[in-house]
Amino acid sequence: QQQVKQSPQSLIVQKGGISIINCAYENTAFDYFPWYQQFPGKGPALLIAIRPDVSEKKEGRFTISFNKSAKQFSLHIMDSQPGDSATYFCAARGLGLTFGEGTQLTVNP
Amino acid sequence: NAGVTQTPKFRVLKTGQSMTLLCAQDMNHEYMYWYRQDPGMGLRLIHYSVGEGTTAKGEVPDGYNVSRLKKQNFLLGLESAAPSQTSVYFCASSHDLAGVGGETQYFGPGTRLLVL
Repeated sequence: QQQVKQSPQSLIVQKGGISIINCAYENTAFDYFPWYQQFPGKGPALLIAIRPDVSEKKEGRFTISFNKSAKQFSLHIMDSQPGDSATYFCAARGLGLTFGEGTQLTVNP
Repeated sequence: NAGVTQTPKFRVLKTGQSMTLLCAQDMNHEYMYWYRQDPGMGLRLIHYSVGEGTTAKGEVPDGYNVSRLKKQNFLLGLESAAPSQTSVYFCASSHDLAGVGGETQYFGPGTRLLVL
């Protein structure tokens, strides 16, 4: 039973465009929402994270938007670059981390 | 400082065989985790440990056992491998329970396991 739903499964964006990945969760006890980036053959690495008392967090080209009432959060990648091509996972913390299904992002040059 | 390392990188097993995956971390982290990653399902927590000598079940523990005899090592065992256990296995560690105080979970490079 997936408690964190992520969409889309795959995403193709042109260089310079905006990539948007969405996640929805069910468990209102989740209290920390990180995003992980994974390159082929590597383990996931923390990209950016947010707590539910904040509606938005920005770090460079990466922004998390959080809607507590809708139980949804999203990752926006501005000015997407080919080097951003990777699989992105949202996650939510309860006991350990519950991950979304992942989004494979391809940024075309 | 190697971070989190995993051994082996790749393994092929026959159904019914047993094996142990080794995870080691050199960051003096209290918490360690084992996940499996399957296409379209993200990462799922198998077992975790909150300190030396302690282990607990995660989301998908059946068919796996773990041990944390030393703080820096977390072993994942498959007693009788099944094709359904074909997956990529990731170990992770954190100083505190993942997310507490914004704590980062650091992942190893993964072990690819194929069970025939």
